[in-house]
Amino acid sequence: QVQLVQSGAEVRKPGASVNVSCKTSGYTFTNYYMHWVRQAPGQGLEWMGIINPSGGSTTYPQKFQGRVFMTRDTSTSTLNMELSSLRSEDTAVYYCARGNYYARYYFDYWGQGTLVTVSS
Amino acid sequence: QLVLTQSPSASASLGASVKLTCTLSSGHSSYAIAWHQQQPEKGPRYLMKLNSDGSHTKGDGIPDRFSGSSSGAERYLTISSLQSEDEADYFCQTWGVGMVFGGGTKLTVL
Repeated sequence: QVQLVQSGAEVRKPGASVNVSCKTSGYTFTNYYMHWVRQAPGQGLEWMGIINPSGGSTTYPQKFQGRVFMTRDTSTSTLNMELSSLRSEDTAVYYCARGNYYARYYFDYWGQGTLVTVSS
Repeated sequence: QLVLTQSPSASASLGASVKLTCTLSSGHSSYAIAWHQQQPEKGPRYLMKLNSDGSHTKGDGIPDRFSGSSSGAERYLTISSLQSEDEADYFCQTWGVGMVFGGGTKLTVL
């Protein structure tokens, strides 16, 4: 069965970077686009970008351009999301989500989430 | 501007049915949406992709109690035979010029 298993919770100081991983299994890794989404405490969901695991191409919304970097490792079917220059507002649960095969911008599986806390 | 609007809360009794609504903003009534469920302290779970004509594709293992329908700019999620584990946040999602999420409806099962 399809599984997206994310790395554990992280605590970082303002200005630092954080890397969250998402290990996938149960399907052909390179056939499905992947997304990263975050949810700050008590807030709605926020899309951070999309990556094509086949070629590694990415698209980020303007808000995160220059601060987020998404990569993939096809040998381990794992995605990584690095967010730099962290500030307190980046405290959130970060999710990876798989894009539907026929409609890549609709999510059909989610990771369990990774809590990132930014605090001095 | 593409916006998805949901009521913040809904409630229904155990064993009853409930119909949740996600409304697309003006000019976007042809858009498909996806419904997701988020139980307390858990990651979201994909329920279905719902097209403007009411056709829908459910996620793996989603019970028949969950169904979708459409009317104009409204996208509905109906849950029948409500169970306690259905108590969760339900949110809709679509793509326009960027990813758009509804604010979510918190469903309470009485």
